[in-house]
Amino acid sequence: DQQVKQNSPSLSVQEGRISILNCDYTNSMFDYFLWYKKYPAEGPTFLISISSIKDKNEDGRFTVFLNKSAKHLSLHIVPSQPGDSAVYFCAAIIMTTDSWGKLQFGAGTQVVVTP
Amino acid sequence: NAGVTQTPKFQVLKTGQSMTLQCAQDMNHEYMSWYRQDPGMGLRLIHYSVGAGITDQGEVPNGYNVSRSTTEDFPLRLLSAAPSQTSVYFCASSYDIYEGVYGYTFGSGTRLTVV
Repeated sequence: DQQVKQNSPSLSVQEGRISILNCDYTNSMFDYFLWYKKYPAEGPTFLISISSIKDKNEDGRFTVFLNKSAKHLSLHIVPSQPGDSAVYFCAAIIMTTDSWGKLQFGAGTQVVVTP
Repeated sequence: NAGVTQTPKFQVLKTGQSMTLQCAQDMNHEYMSWYRQDPGMGLRLIHYSVGAGITDQGEVPNGYNVSRSTTEDFPLRLLSAAPSQTSVYFCASSYDIYEGVYGYTFGSGTRLTVV
C-alpha cells in the first residue's frame, strides 16, 4: 500500500508562471519529506526537504508547504523555467536507524514548462 | 568525484539468466541502497546496507541478492531473471542517516529488460 501519493501524473505550465505539485501521505510518523527532480536517463537529484515540525521551507524559486493535519504537502516553483521540465518525486522518511534508506516515494509528476 | 557509478547502463536478459548490477561510490558513504522504478509506482526499495558486511531487505527484495564486502561497492544480483524484473534500477548512497534528509546521491540508473 503506497504511503505517499502523487495523484497528478502530469502538469503543464507556461514559462514564468507558478508550478504547484501536490503530494499526500498516509503515515503520520514520517519525520521528513523530500522532493527529488529527475531528468530522462539520469538519477533523481535532491531538490528540497522539510521537517515534519515545520510548515514551510524555501530555497530560491522552490518552496515546500506542509499541512500535517491534512497529511498534504506541495511544492511551488516560481517562476517556472524551461529547465524545470522534469519528473518530480515526493518522498518521505521516518528517521530511525532501522528506517534509513527506506524512503517512500510517490509515483512522480511530469512537469512540462512551455514557452 | 565520480559520485555513484552504476554499470551497465542498459542490459537485456533472457528469462532465467542471472546477472549482477554494479554500484560503486567514491564518497566514503556508509549507507547504500537499491531502488527500482516502475511506471506509476515511483521508486521502491529493494535492499539496503548500513555498512560493510551489513545488509537488509527493503520493500521488494524477492528475486534479488546483495552483499557488501567493501564500503565502496554494493552489487545487486538477479539469480534467475523474470519479465517482472524489467525495470530501471537506481543505486543511492549517503554518508549517514542524518545526511539522508538532505538527499541521497543517486546513480544514473541501469535499464534492464527481461525477455
